[in-house]
Amino acid sequence: EIVMTQSPATLSVSPGERATLSCRASQSVSSNLAWYQQKPGQAPRLLIYGASTRATGIPARFSGSGSGTEFTLTISSLQSEDFAVYYCQQYNNWWTFGQGTKVEIK
Amino acid sequence: EVQLVQSGAEVKKPGESLRISCKGSGFSFTSDWIAWVRHMPGKGLEYMGIIYPGDSDTRYSPSFQGQVAISADKSISTAYLQWSSLKASDTAMYYCARGGIQGVVADSWGQGTLVIVSS
Repeated sequence: EIVMTQSPATLSVSPGERATLSCRASQSVSSNLAWYQQKPGQAPRLLIYGASTRATGIPARFSGSGSGTEFTLTISSLQSEDFAVYYCQQYNNWWTFGQGTKVEIK
Repeated sequence: EVQLVQSGAEVKKPGESLRISCKGSGFSFTSDWIAWVRHMPGKGLEYMGIIYPGDSDTRYSPSFQGQVAISADKSISTAYLQWSSLKASDTAMYYCARGGIQGVVADSWGQGTLVIVSS
């Protein structure tokens, strides 16, 4: 089973600042990596797939990069609605989620 | 519009059985994988398993193999998650999701079904 490890567990950021979230896979997943945003009481929402392709309707301030085992989600200028938990997910070998990174207001 | 509508919240006792459902609409239910994801209170998302309703091909996460059963009735565009004997540790929110991109990327999610298991 592929293990996904996210860091940091919590990221404290001021509105307008950049946030950088990391995700590492225990073995190569090629570019078969997605990022999801989840807010309290809501279902997850797809942000990025194919490591770097934004899903429909996702603002350009969200960007993804990486391949193989190292991936990054960058939020260029945090808006109030971006404070949430973010999960990476590999789909190279069925699915595995990372444990999540909570982005909170500093 | 693609929609996944899940059945309502359940409160059950340990040892009881349960089946929750996920009804798809707005897409070809037989052409996309449907997955189940657990979200325990205060924890992260956990992939449980996935089914292809077109031929009922089903795969389970090793962590959930033998603990739950996933099935689908393509005639009514509905997927199911079933337990034969619930435990208190099964208390969680359960989501279904459609692998609508490249067959496996979850672009649509159900609203979630809260399952509470308590004596």
